[in-house]
Amino acid sequence: AQSVTQLGSHVSVSEGALVLLRCNYSSSVPPYLFWYVQYPNQGLQLLLKYTTGATLVKGINGFEAEFKKSETSFHLTKPSAHMSDAAEYFCAVTFDRGSTLGRLYFGRGTQLTVWP
Amino acid sequence: DAGVTQSPTHLIKTRGQQVTLRCSPKSGHDTVSWYQQALGQGPQFIFQYYEEEERQRGNFPDRFSGHQFPNYSSELNVNALLLGDSALYLCASSWDRGVYGYTFGSGTRLTVV
Repeated sequence: AQSVTQLGSHVSVSEGALVLLRCNYSSSVPPYLFWYVQYPNQGLQLLLKYTTGATLVKGINGFEAEFKKSETSFHLTKPSAHMSDAAEYFCAVTFDRGSTLGRLYFGRGTQLTVWP
Repeated sequence: DAGVTQSPTHLIKTRGQQVTLRCSPKSGHDTVSWYQQALGQGPQFIFQYYEEEERQRGNFPDRFSGHQFPNYSSELNVNALLLGDSALYLCASSWDRGVYGYTFGSGTRLTVV
């Protein structure tokens, strides 16, 4: 069965510190992986995605993530946190084949707090 | 270029009533999916529409139904509302059945009292 697990429902960092948000997935076919960000009272904005090719993907606002098949992980990082990064982050997986084509399976989300 | 537009933004309904939510996809997109996001949770897939047909459905009761029009816009209908239906309903559109990612609207906040 397909699923996404985000370790840590809340992460707090100081401004300028490294941001690391963890995501592990479970799937029986090759996954396509996404990170979305959600600001209060807004929809989801795509940060970055992995489909095929290079396993290290760069997204908007200085975020990047690395697909590690052996670890079934897709952790999100940013070298230096900014106050504006405070938001809810969701990891999601989908597939390019089968009965769940294009259906997004989301994790429960990680709330990122950035302290000044 | 407008992104995904949802209406209304907020809605308050009474238990047992029916509600219709509307979505206009991003220009050039032909696939629309609907998600329910309860407070403090990740979005849950309701269904996906492509070529005016429901292509996939998540684990939601038949009280949840939808429609896609020839211009690719979509509606989500919920009958016999329950308190537990209170949530943010997100519409997402894509040009590739969603495989390469969706563009999300800002959502409709439904409160059932």
